[in-house]
This record gives sequence, structure tokens and C-alpha cells, in this order.
Amino acid sequence: EAQVTQNPRYLITVTGKKLTVTCSQNMNHEYMSWYRQDPGLGLRQIYYSMNVEVTDKGDVPEGYKVSRKEKRNFPLILESPSPNQTSLYFCASSLGQPNPLHFGNGTRLTVT
Amino acid sequence: DQQVKQNSPSLSVQEGRISILNCDYTNSMFDYFLWYKKYPAEGPTFLISISSIKDKNEDGRFTVFLNKSAKHLSLHIVPSQPGDSAVYFCAASARGNQFYFGTGTSLTVIP
Repeated sequence: EAQVTQNPRYLITVTGKKLTVTCSQNMNHEYMSWYRQDPGLGLRQIYYSMNVEVTDKGDVPEGYKVSRKEKRNFPLILESPSPNQTSLYFCASSLGQPNPLHFGNGTRLTVT
Repeated sequence: DQQVKQNSPSLSVQEGRISILNCDYTNSMFDYFLWYKKYPAEGPTFLISISSIKDKNEDGRFTVFLNKSAKHLSLHIVPSQPGDSAVYFCAASARGNQFYFGTGTSLTVIP
């Protein structure tokens, strides 16, 4: 089944403790991206990647890192999480325009 | 600044009637527009899209209209069904580099 898989689905952590949210797609998509969803703000893009070893900042990249060492994986790294990064995170992938994004089921992160 | 706006946070419609969801954008470089549907505890799922070279695209009960001069996008659902109750996001991109999403409209279809 074609899908985007994120792990974990839920994560509670403390300020400053490094964490990684994994994202994997099995559709051979070149384009991958990360979003965060916050009440009243919709989905905002954090980082995106047009291909292996090519990444770019989205609208809200501060406090996040990504890597794209292989086509199928696009992990999101929070080196020193802070409470303002408490949010619902979505990974997505696409063949590239004019094709739509396919989303994972989300990771709810709470930073205390 | 929000480049894609959905000014109605919520909408209620009777089953069988038409649902019209609206979206406005500010960037004239956007050339690809999409609508997504989102249920709680799931990721957004793609509904329908339209290229800037068109003004209408249909897929079953769903039709998207694009008015480039007004920078306005709308999604029509006819007839509306209770299973359509969800949050709907519009999105736009310019050459596929970045996708910008609206804040969402929560649609409730009343049986």
C-alpha cells in the first residue's frame, strides 16, 4: 500500500532533550516536506526537499533540522526542543508539481 | 503574512444541499491549487486540484472553481453528505517548491 509513515504518533518530552521524528515513503517520490499544524494557523511548512541531499527552509524552520540521505526517508530533528514546538507535525511527499502531496497520519509532540 | 486565507472557520449545511467553501490568496505567482480534507487523528487527504490555466475542475460531487483576477478559489460539494463532515484546507504553490495552506474550514453536514 502506497503510504507515508511517521513515527512516533505521540511523543511527550522535556525541554532540551534532542528528538527525531522519522518519516518514510514507499512511492519513490522525489519531493518530501514537513509541516506543523497549530490552532488558527493552519499548516505551515518547516522544511522541504526536492531530492536526495537537497533541502530548503520553509516558513518556520527555526529550531528544526532535516536530512535527506536517501530518497525514501526524511527525518525531522529537534536538537533542543522548547515548549513552543508543541504541535501536530505532518510529513508529506509528492512526485512534484503538478502532483498533490500525500500526508502521513501525524505526530503529536508535547514539550514540557 | 498568510498568503492563503480561509475566512470562514466553520460551515454547517443540510444533507443533500450544496456546500461552498472559499479560499483567497495573495500571491499572483501561484499556479497550482489544491483542496484537502482532514478527519481528526488523520493526515490531510487530497481531494481535488486545479492548474492556473483552468478555471474549473470537476471530480464527482466535488468541483473547484478558480477566479484568477479575484485571486479566489472555491470548492463546491453537491450533494453534501454526512461523511463530508471534516476540516477542509485549501493550498497553493508556485512551481511546486513550497505549498502554502489556509487555516481550514470545519464543515458539518447535518443529516
